[in-house]
Amino acid sequence: DTAVSQTPKYLVTQMGNDKSIKCEQNLGHDTMYWYKQDSKKFLKIMFSYNNKELIINETVPNRFSPKSPDKAHLNLHINSLELGDSAVYFCASSQRRELFFGEGSRLTVL
Amino acid sequence: GENVEQHPSTLSVQEGDSAVIKCTYSDSASNYFPWYKQELGKRPQLIIDIRSNVGEKKDQRIAVTLNKTAKHFSLHITETQPEDSAVYFCASYTGTASKLTFGTGTRLQVTL
Repeated sequence: DTAVSQTPKYLVTQMGNDKSIKCEQNLGHDTMYWYKQDSKKFLKIMFSYNNKELIINETVPNRFSPKSPDKAHLNLHINSLELGDSAVYFCASSQRRELFFGEGSRLTVL
Repeated sequence: GENVEQHPSTLSVQEGDSAVIKCTYSDSASNYFPWYKQELGKRPQLIIDIRSNVGEKKDQRIAVTLNKTAKHFSLHITETQPEDSAVYFCASYTGTASKLTFGTGTRLQVTL
């Protein structure tokens, strides 16, 4: 019974393509996030949604567009993929302050 | 915005020894300080946290200390075991920004 699930786990694609990652949580949490973890393991917040409303939008290129159809889902669409987008993308949710992470989606841009 | 520095970036200890990881934060409004453990290929998971009205918290072999005046907090692991090998992240929560800012991570290696 996975709490935060994201798909796909692995994505390998060419530069210039568009890709999406989906995230769902069954914890009943109000807030969901996207974090990017690069090859040096740094965890950087990208976006945060509370009850479908965008509340945090870090300095992320506008090629990245999050969408929250309801509070249990937060998807990430990336246009015109670049080499530097290669990373592990973690979805997370929280009710108060503890983050519950998904398993991560490893994106490789060739 | 909040800035969290974490040291050391790598730490190697022998099984049974203690390990200490230190973090500093910049925003005096930060009031919650969790520690996450990320095993190889896995997701980060919360192992312990401390709130700003508490100076120390212990849970079996792990403990956290917080010095609000100096804006320092530390993770202490005693009697380390090979399964403690992982990347550890400190973080700081700022209520005004509703944001958790992570440190840069410490790769802990426990050798036999």
